[in-house]
Amino acid sequence: GNSVTQMEGPVTLSEEAFLTINCTYTATGYPSLFWYVQYPGEGLQLLLKATKADDKGSNKGFEATYRKETTSFHLEKGSVQVSDSAVYFCALRTGFQKLVFGTGTRLLVSP
Amino acid sequence: DTEVTQTPKHLVMGMTNKKSLKCEQHMGHRAMYWYKQKAKKPPELMFVYSYEKLSINESVPSRFSPECPNSSLLNLHLHALQPEDSALYLCASISTGGNTEAFFGQGTRLTVV
Repeated sequence: GNSVTQMEGPVTLSEEAFLTINCTYTATGYPSLFWYVQYPGEGLQLLLKATKADDKGSNKGFEATYRKETTSFHLEKGSVQVSDSAVYFCALRTGFQKLVFGTGTRLLVSP
Repeated sequence: DTEVTQTPKHLVMGMTNKKSLKCEQHMGHRAMYWYKQKAKKPPELMFVYSYEKLSINESVPSRFSPECPNSSLLNLHLHALQPEDSALYLCASISTGGNTEAFFGQGTRLTVV
């Protein structure tokens, strides 16, 4: 079955540091890949997505590239801000099936 | 309009109460989902409705009863809940075009006392 593995958190960084959150997946077929962000007390917001191999999703300075050869979709940002502190979920979906989430990675950014 | 609206935002209910959660979207999506999220955990799928018909029930206890009155509305009826059912309940909708993103509501924070 489909599954997503994310790095354990929390990830603790100083403001303006470089961020990487690792995500790897197992899937049958050709999944679409997503990063969702959840701020405290809120629902999930789509951060970025990629629907086929070698696609790069980007939004608000965050990027992730769909790597079929390594089955990965790592999230990166060149310079994090305190306001980026949140929980980040990697997820995949194949065709019209349920969305499968990773366990989430909490990011804490200090001034 | 890319919003999914959930009401109420917060709900406190006793174990003998009956209450309902509501979810609404006007994006023309024909698939709607209920998720349950406990603290520091990812969302867990509960139910999927496709074209107003229940297509997936992830072995959810019968004290949770979903309903889809029309293509824009999704309800979750709650009865005789337990304290361990306290969680954030999230609604999502997806276009049935395949491989597209889910849009989530802000959730209902439920506390069972």
